[in-house]
Amino acid sequence: NAGVTQTPKFRVLKTGQSMTLLCAQDMNHEYMYWYRQDPGMGLRLIHYSVGEGTTAKGEVPDGYNVSRLKKQNFLLGLESAAPSQTSVYFCASSKPTSGVDEQFFGPGTRLTVL
Amino acid sequence: AQSVAQPEDQVNVAEGNPLTVKCTYSVSGNPYLFWYVQYPNRGLQFLLKYITGDNLVKGSYGFEAEFNKSQTSFHLKKPSALVSDSALYFCAVRDLTTDSWGKLQFGAGTQVVVTP
Repeated sequence: NAGVTQTPKFRVLKTGQSMTLLCAQDMNHEYMYWYRQDPGMGLRLIHYSVGEGTTAKGEVPDGYNVSRLKKQNFLLGLESAAPSQTSVYFCASSKPTSGVDEQFFGPGTRLTVL
Repeated sequence: AQSVAQPEDQVNVAEGNPLTVKCTYSVSGNPYLFWYVQYPNRGLQFLLKYITGDNLVKGSYGFEAEFNKSQTSFHLKKPSALVSDSALYFCAVRDLTTDSWGKLQFGAGTQVVVTP
C-alpha cells in the first residue's frame, strides 16, 4: 500500500495564480484532512471531509476550497494565491472510529507564493 | 475549546540519556491524546495514543507517554535517546465531548536534538 500520497511535492506560484493540490489514499479511509504547517504554529486544519461528497471548514479555511468527488481523493484548491499561503501543506486520512484512530499523513507539499 | 501546549521549543539531550518532551492540554471533557513525530522533509508519523485505561502508554520506537489527569499532562518519554530520535515532535488532543469526528488540535511542536 502506498498510504497517503500528495502531488506535487514542490510548487512556486506568483501572487494571483491558482493551483490544485491532490491527495490520494489507498486505505479506504472515510475521513480526510488538509493541514498547513507554519514554523512555531504546529499544524492547522484548513478543511476536512467525513465522506465522499462532503466537506467542511476547519480552523483556517479562507482562501482555500476543497472537493471530495471520490472517496480516495481529496483536492485542495487555491483560486488566487497570496504570499500568506506560503506554507507546507499536509494531507491526512483516518478511519471514522469516533476519533480514536490515528491519522495517517502524506509527505507534504511545499508551496511558495511570490 | 480544546488546546495543547508544548512549553519547550527545543530539547537537547545526549545520546543514551533519558528524553522527555512535555505536553499539557485543556479540554472540557475527556481527552484523547496523541504523539506524532516528524523527521526532516517528511510527513507526521504516529507514535502513540491515550484513549482510556492504563495511564502509561507504550508506543513505537521505544517511546512511552504518561497521562496525568490531575496535571492535565501527557509527557513523552524515552529511557535512552538515540541520535536517530532527533526530530520534531507534536502532541495533539481531541475532546470527544464537543465533536464526533477526528479533529485534532496540535501543539506547536518541540524540536528534539540528540547529540552523540
